[in-house]
Amino acid sequence: AQRVTQPEKLLSVFKGAPVELKCNYSYSGSPELFWYVQYSRQRLQLLLRHISRESIKGFTADLNKGETSFHLKKPFAQEEDSAMYYCALSGQRGNTGKLIFGQGTTLQVKP
Amino acid sequence: GAGVSQSPSNKVTEKGKDVELRCDPISGHTALYWYRQSLGQGLEFLIYFQGNSAPDKSGLPSDRFSAERTGGSVSTLTIQRTQQEDSAVYLCASTPLGGITEAFFGQGTRLTVV
Repeated sequence: AQRVTQPEKLLSVFKGAPVELKCNYSYSGSPELFWYVQYSRQRLQLLLRHISRESIKGFTADLNKGETSFHLKKPFAQEEDSAMYYCALSGQRGNTGKLIFGQGTTLQVKP
Repeated sequence: GAGVSQSPSNKVTEKGKDVELRCDPISGHTALYWYRQSLGQGLEFLIYFQGNSAPDKSGLPSDRFSAERTGGSVSTLTIQRTQQEDSAVYLCASTPLGGITEAFFGQGTRLTVV
């Protein structure tokens, strides 16, 4: 079964501090993994996906298949990073292509 | 329109009434999802439509919930005999090719059952 776990409901850091939002997954095949972000009063939107191996707004995420993790990191948090972050997983084809989300982590960056 | 559109934006209903929530996906997107977002529960998967395949209904919480997608486009989520615990934001998303591609979300429908 597909499952995504984000152990922290709230992560509070000061501006300039490093940030790591944890995500662990369970899936028997080769998953596609994503991070989505929802800023206040905005729609949920894609932040990054593991297959792209890119850095978006200073955030990166590395897929660790051994640990089944896909943690989101940023070396220096900014106040505008305050938002709800969701880790998501999808299988690759057919009905396994459904997109499952974790419980979400609220990131609060204090000035 | 250019994005996923959901209606109504807000719905207040009395316990026991039926409600219908509508989603207009991005034109040409083959996959459509419904999720429920509530405090402390995160983003709960409800149902997934992909092309002409049978929908994945594994996330529907009870038989009071149903959804259909007509003509591979517009989708309606129906909740019968609403209960207070159904209060939440219901989100719809569509993707071009299923879960492997970026999902585009609607603004959601906030349902309040009183």
